Amino acid sequence: DVKVTQSSRYLVKRTGEKVFLECVQDMDHENMFWYRQDPGLGLRLIYFSYDVKMKEKGDIPEGYSVSREKKERFSLILESASTNQTSMYLCASSSTSGRALGTQYFGPGTRLLVL
Amino acid sequence: KQEVTQIPAALSVPEGENLVLNCSFTDSAIYNLQWFRQDPGKGLTSLLLIQSSQREQTSGRLNASLDKSSGRSTLYIAASQPGDSATYLCAVRGAGNMLTFGGGTRLMVKP
Repeated sequence: DVKVTQSSRYLVKRTGEKVFLECVQDMDHENMFWYRQDPGLGLRLIYFSYDVKMKEKGDIPEGYSVSREKKERFSLILESASTNQTSMYLCASSSTSGRALGTQYFGPGTRLLVL
Repeated sequence: KQEVTQIPAALSVPEGENLVLNCSFTDSAIYNLQWFRQDPGKGLTSLLLIQSSQREQTSGRLNASLDKSSGRSTLYIAASQPGDSATYLCAVRGAGNMLTFGGGTRLMVKP
């Protein structure tokens, strides 16, 4: 079974803090994604990566950056957290080959509260 | 820009009913469509993926169909159970690896 894990289920931070959200997948997937999910707005793509050290902006990259130094790990960074970044953050991964081509597998999510 | 709509937004049915969830998308140039389930406060679980060349996929009591030309997909759930209660999301993959998600249908199956 594909496993996508996220470093924290719940996180509380203060405005202006630097926040790191970590995501690890164990299926050697090439692609990794960060989404945020908000009531009434659905899931929105922040950034994705299709290879180590490669990244592409999604629909809402402002206020975020990402890092992918190893294939299995994709980090989302909030350089200076703001209250409007309070949200549920979901990480996903997918393969570019094989039977599960295109299927995105999601982690359990991190619920971030910025005070 | 691709837009994905799911109707209804919420649905409540008695246990045992067969039901259909709908998903529509505006741009038919898609690579695949995926149905997910999300339980409250949890991540998404992939249910079915239909490639653009396919018409349907089945897994147990679930059957998903795709009509790419009309921009529609349906998720059919047979003999619904209380454990099926969750939010169901559809997502389409267009150019690149990005998914565009619908707003979801919140399903409640009452015992």
